[in-house]
Amino acid sequence: DVKVTQSSRYLVKRTGEKVFLECVQDMDHENMFWYRQDPGLGLRLIYFSYDVKMKEKGDIPEGYSVSREKKERFSLILESASTNQTSMYLCASSWGGIRYEQYFGPGTRLTVT
Amino acid sequence: GENVEQHPSTLSVQEGDSAVIKCTYSDSASNYFPWYKQELGKRPQLIIDIRSNVGEKKDQRIAVTLNKTAKHFSLHITETQPEDSAVYFCAASMSNTDKLIFGTGTRLQVFP
Repeated sequence: DVKVTQSSRYLVKRTGEKVFLECVQDMDHENMFWYRQDPGLGLRLIYFSYDVKMKEKGDIPEGYSVSREKKERFSLILESASTNQTSMYLCASSWGGIRYEQYFGPGTRLTVT
Repeated sequence: GENVEQHPSTLSVQEGDSAVIKCTYSDSASNYFPWYKQELGKRPQLIIDIRSNVGEKKDQRIAVTLNKTAKHFSLHITETQPEDSAVYFCAASMSNTDKLIFGTGTRLQVFP
């Protein structure tokens, strides 16, 4: 059974802070994704990675960066948090790229004050 | 630009009735169309998907139809039950960017 975990369910940070969101999967998946979920906007792709040390920009990468030093771990970094980054962040992984099932983590609800 | 439009944004049905959610996509080369269900407070989970080489796929009470000419696909849920209440997201693969673009979601409420 695929398991995708995220480091925090809820997080409150101040404007300007550097924020790290971590995602770990235990199924040896090559592909990992970070999405942001906002009401009325659906799921929007921030960054994705097809392999260790590889990263590709999604649709809304501005203000974010990522790190993938190990296959099982994909980190999302907010370099200087802003209030418009208050959102639900979802991590996902898949073994075969975008045309295969993505397994999602439970999400991190981030509030930036 | 690349986009997926999803309608309606909310849908209320009586238990036992059918529900239909429709999505249109912009990339004529899209070839993979999944549907995800997200129950309240839970993570999205894949419920069914279809590839462009077939026009319809069924799994018990749910089915997806694809019209490549019109560039739209639909989710059909028959004999709805209260546990079908959730937000449903469609998505389409984009050929030139190799990304999955999600629709904005449909909140389905099934009343007993």
